[in-house]
Amino acid sequence: GESVGLHLPTLSVQEGDNSIINCAYSNSASDYFIWYKQESGKGPQFIIDIRSNMDKRQGQRVTVLLNKTVKHLSLQIAATQPGDSAVYFCAENTGANSKLTFGKGITLSVRP
Amino acid sequence: DTGVSQNPRHKITKRGQNVTFRCDPISEHNRLYWYRQTLGQGPEFLTYFQNEAQLEKSRLLSDRFSAERPKGSFSTLEIQRTEQGDSAMYLCASSPPAGTGHSGANVLTFGAGSRLTVL
Repeated sequence: GESVGLHLPTLSVQEGDNSIINCAYSNSASDYFIWYKQESGKGPQFIIDIRSNMDKRQGQRVTVLLNKTVKHLSLQIAATQPGDSAVYFCAENTGANSKLTFGKGITLSVRP
Repeated sequence: DTGVSQNPRHKITKRGQNVTFRCDPISEHNRLYWYRQTLGQGPEFLTYFQNEAQLEKSRLLSDRFSAERPKGSFSTLEIQRTEQGDSAMYLCASSPPAGTGHSGANVLTFGAGSRLTVL
């Protein structure tokens, strides 16, 4: 069946280090991918997105990489800060109604 | 406009009672979504509106659930005869019309959610 999943449930990094959060997807028809960050008690917040015709997109301190060959998506956070501590979700869209299908989430914990 | 607003933020109810949640989307967004999120899981799609039309419903949306968006602006999600398994965070999101920018219509802006606890 179709699924979006994350390899690891938790990730602990030292403040200032780079973080890499990985995500696998199985729906080859997905044409759009997006990363959300969710802090405790809040709704998911948009971080960065990428279309399937791209393999890399950069934002401020964040980079998303897409490998369609192995159906893999990753989020790289440079110089991780305490404020980056949150649960991160990848999500995919197959184009119908802009409906997003989310993975289970990974917790990023930043050590001071 | 301060984003997507959801009310109430928290609701505790007894099993069998009815509850209603309200969502006020970003004013220029014509698309509105309801999702459900349980602890440790990603949001699960429930239903989608484009303007006032409900265009898609998930199989997760049982007969006890009903959503409306009568004037194409705010939306309500009602759960009748609540069960303990309904306990979750109910998230509302909205997005602008199709064709908006690089990714515009695909970027869902979420509200803070309404947390339901059924005792």
